[in-house]
Amino acid sequence: EAGVAQSPRYKIIEKRQSVAFWCNPISGHATLYWYQQILGQGPKLLIQFQNNGVVDDSQLPKDRFSAERLKGVDSTLKIQPAKLEDSAVYLCASSGYIDNEQFFGPGTRLTVL
Amino acid sequence: AQSVAQPEDQVNVAEGNPLTVKCTYSVSGNPYLFWYVQYPNRGLQFLLKYITGDNLVKGSYGFEAEFNKSQTSFHLKKPSALVSDSALYFCAVTGFQKLVFGTGTRLLVSP
Repeated sequence: EAGVAQSPRYKIIEKRQSVAFWCNPISGHATLYWYQQILGQGPKLLIQFQNNGVVDDSQLPKDRFSAERLKGVDSTLKIQPAKLEDSAVYLCASSGYIDNEQFFGPGTRLTVL
Repeated sequence: AQSVAQPEDQVNVAEGNPLTVKCTYSVSGNPYLFWYVQYPNRGLQFLLKYITGDNLVKGSYGFEAEFNKSQTSFHLKKPSALVSDSALYFCAVTGFQKLVFGTGTRLLVSP
């Protein structure tokens, strides 16, 4: 089966610019996650969707980050405006059930200059 | 709040020797425990999980992990390490809330 797809793989922007990441989960997976992984740290959950509804966005910096999952399939994560500290790898994952095994995409490495 | 501790930033082992990567956790209620591996420029790959049942869990690539409730530990083990096992390993826990990851342990297997 096809895995979780993410694009772009790499992105370099200047601070205060905007950026968007795209994720297409494994077909049929109802739950979709966005994680931020800063160098030297473990992934941190930003937002979790169940179908097209938000389950948990408690760690999403809502003043600059937004995410949507229209139609309950693919998802976009946006940062506007970006800050230097947003430099990280953004990982998307999906699972068939909440808290079951999560399958991760390759990630998008964001560098903010 | 749930948390995971991986006390070793790096573990060094010679090829052919057994390896252990340590993980302890804190969670309310029964834990769901996971190990993931991350290779350079790749996403996380699932290795194994403990939900319930036998305390010794077998996973991918010959890895296994032992759940110890009294010590709140879930150490990752492999009887004979390979150079190709060199990677970053993450332990994660959920108590039916969001999955919380440890900071990771880098495993270096020398030829």
